[in-house]
Amino acid sequence: EPEVTQTPSHQVTQMGQEVILRCVPISNHLYFYWYRQILGQKVEFLVSFYNNEISEKSEIFDDQFSVERPDGSNFTLKIRSTKLEDSAMYFCAATREGVLYEQYFGPGTRLTVT
Amino acid sequence: GESVGLHLPTLSVQEGDNSIINCAYSNSASDYFIWYKQESGKGPQFIIDIRSNMDKRQGQRVTVLLNKTVKHLSLQIAATQPGDSAVYFCAENPTSNTGKLIFGQGTTLQVKP
Repeated sequence: EPEVTQTPSHQVTQMGQEVILRCVPISNHLYFYWYRQILGQKVEFLVSFYNNEISEKSEIFDDQFSVERPDGSNFTLKIRSTKLEDSAMYFCAATREGVLYEQYFGPGTRLTVT
Repeated sequence: GESVGLHLPTLSVQEGDNSIINCAYSNSASDYFIWYKQESGKGPQFIIDIRSNMDKRQGQRVTVLLNKTVKHLSLQIAATQPGDSAVYFCAENPTSNTGKLIFGQGTTLQVKP
């Protein structure tokens, strides 16, 4: 069964550094999302992406965050200057037309900012 | 404001018993309500959804009930198995056509053998 994959599984970075989290969605999925989950807390929406543009973003998704789909398969989340409070699990999700709420999540990237 | 919450942080049940996980939501305009399961070290996994114009939907061993009058959502798992042990999140889609999901806090289901 096709799966959403994410790399790396764990990223440790110093405060102020840039990080890029990568995701490979399922091939026929066209709607993409990033969520984050701070340890022990609920999953929080960051951004939705469709047709090569952001369709919706949350208050968390400020100017330090960006997303792109550089080559038609990868979907990336970039944090330009990481802060301690960016430490969390970051999940990529994807879905098909017509079933937007049945989202397939990747295993997540654990980002630790020191 | 937008919020989705769960009544209990942890639910412990005996294997073979039925489990009921509850959720309260506040946004009466939401169109879809969804249950996700998250096993340790994994991303959330879709279980079942229900549209706001329904009050009950059944899947394989799971039933979701929606009571819009009191803004309450529940997930019933029949004959709970050890593999059902996980954190369960309810989520809602607010008035948005982008698929954005608002998740609740999560209930940990522990299945005792």
